[in-house]
Amino acid sequence: DTAVSQTPKYLVTQMGNDKSIKCEQNLGHDTMYWYKQDSKKFLKIMFSYNNKELIINETVPNRFSPKSPDKAHLNLHINSLELGDSAVYFCASSQAQGRYYEQYFGPGTRLTVT
Amino acid sequence: AQSVAQPEDQVNVAEGNPLTVKCTYSVSGNPYLFWYVQYPNRGLQFLLKYITGDNLVKGSYGFEAEFNKSQTSFHLKKPSALVSDSALYFCAVRDRNTDKLIFGTGTRLQVFP
Repeated sequence: DTAVSQTPKYLVTQMGNDKSIKCEQNLGHDTMYWYKQDSKKFLKIMFSYNNKELIINETVPNRFSPKSPDKAHLNLHINSLELGDSAVYFCASSQAQGRYYEQYFGPGTRLTVT
Repeated sequence: AQSVAQPEDQVNVAEGNPLTVKCTYSVSGNPYLFWYVQYPNRGLQFLLKYITGDNLVKGSYGFEAEFNKSQTSFHLKKPSALVSDSALYFCAVRDRNTDKLIFGTGTRLQVFP
């Protein structure tokens, strides 16, 4: 009964390819997020959705496009992959939008672009 | 802008000794502060948060954190460290304007037997 799950766990691909990472939460939460963790373990928000509506859209290349088919799912599609996209991508969810709520993270997807 | 700083890249402590992982914050208004732990090859796990109320916050796995407004600190503590506590610890603050969670750079805790 995993709370926040991501697939795949590992993704190795070549430059120029298009790939997707899927995220699902079974916590009944309203808000979901994508984070990027670089090689120095620095974590940065990329996107957040609240009830399928885009709330946070950080300054990321428009090659990255999130899609939320329903409030339990938030997928990340990446076009024309570049070497610099190599990182660990974490999905997270919280009960609702707002500063009081802690976030629950998935296990991460390690993306390696060669 | 809201931010947190974790001044130590690594903290080493012997098993059974008390541990402290430091965090200072810079916010306008009341801070909303969080601690997360990341075990190797795992996602982050929520430990505890300070929103308002008592300055000493108790969390998971025996951890606690002390909110100190005058020193703008929110240090993570545990009275007796375990080898299994070895992990990467992140302090974070919620930006009051954007609701973004802003993370510190992380502190690696190493507990030696």
